[in-house]
Amino acid sequence: AQSVSQHNHHVILSEAASLELGCNYSYGGTVNLFWYVQYPGQHLQLLLKYFSGDPLVKGIKGFEAEFIKSKFSFNLRKPSVQWSDTAEYFCAVNENRDDKIIFGKGTRLHILP
Amino acid sequence: DVKVTQSSRYLVKRTGEKVFLECVQDMDHENMFWYRQDPGLGLRLIYFSYDVKMKEKGDIPEGYSVSREKKERFSLILESASTNQTSMYLCASSLLTTEQYFGPGTRLTVT
Repeated sequence: AQSVSQHNHHVILSEAASLELGCNYSYGGTVNLFWYVQYPGQHLQLLLKYFSGDPLVKGIKGFEAEFIKSKFSFNLRKPSVQWSDTAEYFCAVNENRDDKIIFGKGTRLHILP
Repeated sequence: DVKVTQSSRYLVKRTGEKVFLECVQDMDHENMFWYRQDPGLGLRLIYFSYDVKMKEKGDIPEGYSVSREKKERFSLILESASTNQTSMYLCASSLLTTEQYFGPGTRLTVT
């Protein structure tokens, strides 16, 4: 069965620190990859997505993610975090031509001002 | 902008009650989904629908049913609510195999 692993359940950083959240998936075929974010009290929203092409994907609010096919990974990065990045982040994957998305368990990111 | 709305933000029900959660999307999306979100467990798919009157079980369908009579509306039904169904329920919609758009969620408490 498909699975998505997020390595860190809870991350605490100070403002201006660099961020990398790990994500690995188990499917060996063609995949679409997503990172979603849920700010406190808000609905889940798309941060960035990879369908094909350049494996380095840029999203909103300065986030980027790199798809490394050989490692089955899609790690999320941001060079300098802000207090407003405090949120829960979910990595997700679906097989090409599958309507369903499999979500990871999420990483709670807490940024200290 | 895609808009997915859910009928209630907060709901409190008693054990054994029948509970209806409604979701409406305004972008003519084929697919609609119901998830529950619990701390440390992420999002788990309950049911999804790929067309009117069509549905497919997700990972945790037990104790739930769904209804999709119109393309824009997808209802989740708890036939007989139990305390272990206390959770945040999220509805989402998508166009075929693209990204999903989420509603604000309904926090259901069953006492």
